[in-house]
Order: sequence, then C-alpha cells, then structure tokens
Amino acid sequence: EAGVAQSPRYKIIEKRQSVAFWCNPISGHATLYWYQQILGQGPKLLIQFQNNGVVDDSQLPKDRFSAERLKGVDSTLKIQPAKLEDSAVYLCASSPGTRETQYFGPGTRLLVL
Amino acid sequence: DQQVKQNSPSLSVQEGRISILNCDYTNSMFDYFLWYKKYPAEGPTFLISISSIKDKNEDGRFTVFLNKSAKHLSLHIVPSQPGDSAVYFCAARYGGGGADGLTFGKGTHLIIQP
Repeated sequence: EAGVAQSPRYKIIEKRQSVAFWCNPISGHATLYWYQQILGQGPKLLIQFQNNGVVDDSQLPKDRFSAERLKGVDSTLKIQPAKLEDSAVYLCASSPGTRETQYFGPGTRLLVL
Repeated sequence: DQQVKQNSPSLSVQEGRISILNCDYTNSMFDYFLWYKKYPAEGPTFLISISSIKDKNEDGRFTVFLNKSAKHLSLHIVPSQPGDSAVYFCAARYGGGGADGLTFGKGTHLIIQP
C-alpha cells in the first residue's frame, strides 16, 4: 500500500514570496491533517479535514496560510506572503477516519530567506 | 504553554539494555496517548498507543505505561537494538468530538550504542 505522498520535498524562497505544498493521502483515507514542525519542536497541528470539510483550523494563521482539499482527496497548503519564521518542515498525515492512527508523509522542508 | 513535555532531549543506551523514554502531560482532557518514531528526512511513524482507561500496553519489544494520577507515561524498549536509534515523540489526543489533531512533545533523541 502506498504511503502519504508530499511534494516538493524541499523548497527555498525569499520572504514575502508565496509557496504551495501538495499532499496525496493514503487511498481511502477520509481524514487529512497538516502539521508544522519547527526545528527542535514537535509537530503542531495546522488544520484537519474530514473528506473536503474543515474540522479544525484553530491553529492556522489565516492571515497568511490557506489550505484546501477539493474532492476530498489531495490537499494543498499555501503560504502567502512567507515570513522568516515559517521556515519549518510541513507534514501531511492521513487516517481512515477520526480517532484512528495517523500516517505521516515524509514532509516538505521549507527555508525562507 | 507546553501541554506535552519530554524533558530529556537525548538518551544514550547500550545495545541489549532497556531504554526508558518519559513523557508528562498537563491537560486532563487527553484520553489517548501515542508514541511515534522518526528517522532523519522521514515523517514520524506510529509505534504504539494507549487509551486512558488502561495502564499498560505491550507490542513485542515495546511497552507503554500510563500513570493517570501523575499525568505521566513512559515507553520501554527491551532489548534495545541499533535500529532503535531515532527521535521518539510522545503525542496526546483530546477525548470526544471530531477534532482529533495530536499534541506532540519536543521529542527525545535515542542513541543505541553498540
């Protein structure tokens, strides 16, 4: 069974530029999560989708971050404009449903200069 | 305010001995706890979990213990093997509702010495 796929794996941008990350969850998984992991910290939840609806986006900085999951499968996370403090690894995870094991992708490492 | 704390940034253990990783939490609304293992340049992989209604869960070489009154859990690895060298994250989940994003600790880097 294929795991969670993410692209790109690495991205370097300058501050105030925009960037987008893509996630393809495990086939059949209804729940999708985006986490931000800053160096030296544990992952922090940004947003949770159930199919194509948002369940929790309380920790998403909505002035600059946006996410969507059209058709309830793939998801994109966008940052516009990026700040230096957005440098982090962005992890996508999926699970068959809520309250089930979350499976993580390899992450996208973002560096903002 | 950190709700899940892993106070040891690193731990070095000899191969074959027991590794004990500790985790404390502050929020009594957490009802499910998980351990994830992470290798460099990879995403975290699920290792073992425990519900708040239990005090122990075992899976092969891995055992997780939960002390609810102390708000403390620990992961025991016996015997430790070189492939166990990784960063281990403790995570917790709120009970009830559809929102079930995990709250993670900062991680403990386990180094297994030959």
